[in-house]
Amino acid sequence: EAQVTQNPRYLITVTGKKLTVTCSQNMNHEYMSWYRQDPGLGLRQIYYSMNVEVTDKGDVPEGYKVSRKEKRNFPLILESPSPNQTSLYFCASSRGLEGKNIQYFGAGTRLSVL
Amino acid sequence: KQEVTQIPAALSVPEGENLVLNCSFTDSAIYNLQWFRQDPGKGLTSLLLIQSSQREQTSGRLNASLDKSSGRSTLYIAASQPGDSATYLCAVKKSRETSGSRLTFGEGTQLTVNP
Repeated sequence: EAQVTQNPRYLITVTGKKLTVTCSQNMNHEYMSWYRQDPGLGLRQIYYSMNVEVTDKGDVPEGYKVSRKEKRNFPLILESPSPNQTSLYFCASSRGLEGKNIQYFGAGTRLSVL
Repeated sequence: KQEVTQIPAALSVPEGENLVLNCSFTDSAIYNLQWFRQDPGKGLTSLLLIQSSQREQTSGRLNASLDKSSGRSTLYIAASQPGDSATYLCAVKKSRETSGSRLTFGEGTQLTVNP
C-alpha cells in the first residue's frame, strides 16, 4: 500500500530537548516536504527536498532542520524545541519535481512542547 | 504573496443535499489547484487536482471547477452523506515555482452532514 508514514503520532516534550520526527514514503517519490498546521494560520511549509541531498527552506524554517540522505526518508529535527513549535506536523511527498502530481500526506504528528 | 481563502469556515447540511464549497486565491498565476479532505486525527487525503489549463475535474460525487482568471475554485458535492463530514482544504501551487512544489493552503471548510 502506497503511504507516507510519520512517527511518532503524538509527542510531548520539554523546552530544549532535541527531538526528531521521522517520515518515510514507499512510493519512490523525489519530492518530500514538511508542513505545520496551526489554528488561524492553516498549513505552512517548513522545509522541502527535491531529491537526495537537496533540501531548501519553506515559509517557516526557523528552529527546524531536515536531512535527505535516502530517497524514502525525510526526518524533521528540532534541535532545541520551544513552546511556539507546539503544532500539528505533516510530511508530504509527490512524484516528480514540477508539481503536476498529487501530494500524499502522512497522518500527522501532534507535538506539544512544555 | 499568495493568499487562499475558503468560505464558509463551517457548514452543516442535512443528508442528501447538494452543496458547494468555495475557494478563492489572490494571485491568478497558479500552476494547479488541489482539494483535500482532512479527517480528525488523520492526515490529508487528496480528492481532486486541477491543472491551470483545465476547467474542472470530477471524481464520483465530487466535481471541482477552476476559474483561474477570477481566482476562484468550487468543490461541488452531490447527494451528501454523513461520511462526507470532514474539513475540506484547497491548496494552490504557484506557476514557475523555483522552490519546489510548495502548496499554499486555505484554512478549510468544516463540513458536517447530519443524518
